Amino acid sequence: QKEVEQNSGPLSVPEGAIASLNCTYSDRGSQSFFWYRQYSGKSPELIMFIYSNGDKEDGRFTAQLNKASQYVSLLIRDSQPSDSATYLCAVNFLPMNTGFQKLVFGTGTRLLVSP
Amino acid sequence: EAQVTQNPRYLITVTGKKLTVTCSQNMNHEYMSWYRQDPGLGLRQIYYSMNVEVTDKGDVPEGYKVSRKEKRNFPLILESPSPNQTSLYFCASSLSSGNSYNEQFFGPGTRLTVL
Repeated sequence: QKEVEQNSGPLSVPEGAIASLNCTYSDRGSQSFFWYRQYSGKSPELIMFIYSNGDKEDGRFTAQLNKASQYVSLLIRDSQPSDSATYLCAVNFLPMNTGFQKLVFGTGTRLLVSP
Repeated sequence: EAQVTQNPRYLITVTGKKLTVTCSQNMNHEYMSWYRQDPGLGLRQIYYSMNVEVTDKGDVPEGYKVSRKEKRNFPLILESPSPNQTSLYFCASSLSSGNSYNEQFFGPGTRLTVL
């Protein structure tokens, strides 16, 4: 069973601070990693994806990937109350003998940004 | 507008009464999938389809059926719903399942209550 682990939170940060969200995964062969944001009762929406070791920046968001440690993180700079949501980490696995990719989601980390 | 649509958005039903949740996408995506989301358990895949007439079980397929007769539609069928199928259901689609870098787009969700 391929696993993606996240701390459920809530992670509470004040407005303007950096929020750091972490995710570990079990399959060393995983190639692609996604961060989705989900507001309560709404559908997940993609924030960022990362394929290569290192950092990838997009506006206030930075995704970090360390394949050796099987660890992916999301940093949110200058956090805003509107960033309050659940952040889902998703990892693409390649099940044996199937020839296709399977996206497995973590349970999500709830982020609360206080004004 | 490129989107995934689901109907109905909310449904309250009784045990044993067959129901269908429809899912449609207008992006010509090959891959479609159904997930259920429960507190503390995250998004779990029910069934997926790699193309027309090609479907397979996900992680929690018991009690569900699907069909893929047309590329754009992927209905979820509950032949005899039970209270443990009360959940928030999401349909998702992506360009193909063979490419690990494809983003999955989610529908708005269907909140199902089985009494």
